Amino acid sequence: DGGITQSPKYLFRKEGQNVTLSCEQNLNHDAMYWYRQDPGQGLRLIYYSQIVNDFQKGDIAEGYSVSREKKESFPLTVTSAQKNPTAFYLCASSLPGQGRSGELFFGEGSRLTVL
Amino acid sequence: RKEVEQDPGPFNVPEGATVAFNCTYSNSASQSFFWYRQDCRKEPKLLMSVYSSGNEDGRFTAQLNRASQYISLLIRDSKLSDSATYLCVVISSGGSYIPTFGRGTSLIVHP
Repeated sequence: DGGITQSPKYLFRKEGQNVTLSCEQNLNHDAMYWYRQDPGQGLRLIYYSQIVNDFQKGDIAEGYSVSREKKESFPLTVTSAQKNPTAFYLCASSLPGQGRSGELFFGEGSRLTVL
Repeated sequence: RKEVEQDPGPFNVPEGATVAFNCTYSNSASQSFFWYRQDCRKEPKLLMSVYSSGNEDGRFTAQLNRASQYISLLIRDSKLSDSATYLCVVISSGGSYIPTFGRGTSLIVHP
């Protein structure tokens, strides 16, 4: 079955450590996104990529980095520069500009806790 | 002004009630609209797309009002299982196709 896989599902990190969240999709989607969700809040865009080897900052990119070396993969690194990294991180993909333009497919999310 | 706004609620309704949510958007160039459902500590899942002519899926009806720049979701005959957060998503044209989320509206259906 096609879908998006995020790992790990739960992650604990000490302050000052970088951590990388994995996101893999086999839907052949061009666009991929990373969102952050805090309790009781909506989704805020961290980074997005609409084509391989290209990505753009979203609304809250500071303290995060991404890469898009393959169409299927869009890993997110939470660096030590991110002041408040404890959150629920969601990866999504879509086929922009085609058919039901923009429908997002989500992974199950990664819950990061900084100790 | 935020790009996409929703009343966070919670909307507390009895089983069988009809409840409606609105979502307003600020970008008049917006072209695609969706309602997603998110259960506690889970990922959002597509509930329905919103078409210009309005669309219905069982107990759920979605409508778009471009003149007033809002979309709505109507849930009839509420079930306990409808309890969730409902997220409005708007995608604007202009080449970027960036989905923008509202903060969500919480619905609690009680017996």
